[in-house]
Amino acid sequence: AQSVTQPDIHITVSEGASLELRCNYSYGATPYLFWYVQSPGQGLQLLLKYFSGDTLVQGIKGFEAEFKRSQSSFNLRKPSVHWSDAAEYFCAVVDSNSGYALNFGKGTSLLVTP
Amino acid sequence: DTGVSQDPRHKITKRGQNVTFRCDPISEHNRLYWYRQTLGQGPEFLTYFQNEAQLEKSRLLSDRFSAERPKGSFSTLEIQRTEQGDSAMYLCASSFGADEQFFGPGTRLTVL
Repeated sequence: AQSVTQPDIHITVSEGASLELRCNYSYGATPYLFWYVQSPGQGLQLLLKYFSGDTLVQGIKGFEAEFKRSQSSFNLRKPSVHWSDAAEYFCAVVDSNSGYALNFGKGTSLLVTP
Repeated sequence: DTGVSQDPRHKITKRGQNVTFRCDPISEHNRLYWYRQTLGQGPEFLTYFQNEAQLEKSRLLSDRFSAERPKGSFSTLEIQRTEQGDSAMYLCASSFGADEQFFGPGTRLTVL
């Protein structure tokens, strides 16, 4: 089954600094990939998605992600982090064998320092 | 329609009791998914419906779990004879076909 791995459990970034969260996928064909954000007490919110086409995907809240087939990666980036970006970030891939259910990574917890 | 809603938001129960959760999807969405999320983990797929038909169930869905979606609208997830290991956040999501899934706020279950 398709799966994703998020190597970093926690990341700390200073406010205003750039951010990159890593995601590696396991799938032979072109995967459908997503990044979701989960703030405390909030539901999962979609930041961006990649199905095909342009490998650089723009999302909400100033986030972008780049699909790199050669590295089996779909890393999330933001040029300047705001304190409100502190949250849990999940990379996910569609499992076409389970009705397009999502297989999520374990998440990366982002802490933003002043 | 403002999104996916779930009820209750929190449920505390004693081991051995039955609990039922409800999910109301976005009205025009034909697919409805249930996920479970434990502390420090990403959500894990439990089951999904297309309209009223339950088409897939994960191995995580033991015999104590049952889900329904009568008339292809809201869905219920029932857990019988709850165990402490059932303590988790239960998330519902809906979509139109294979398009983006929209998630509800979740029901947090605590089994004492």
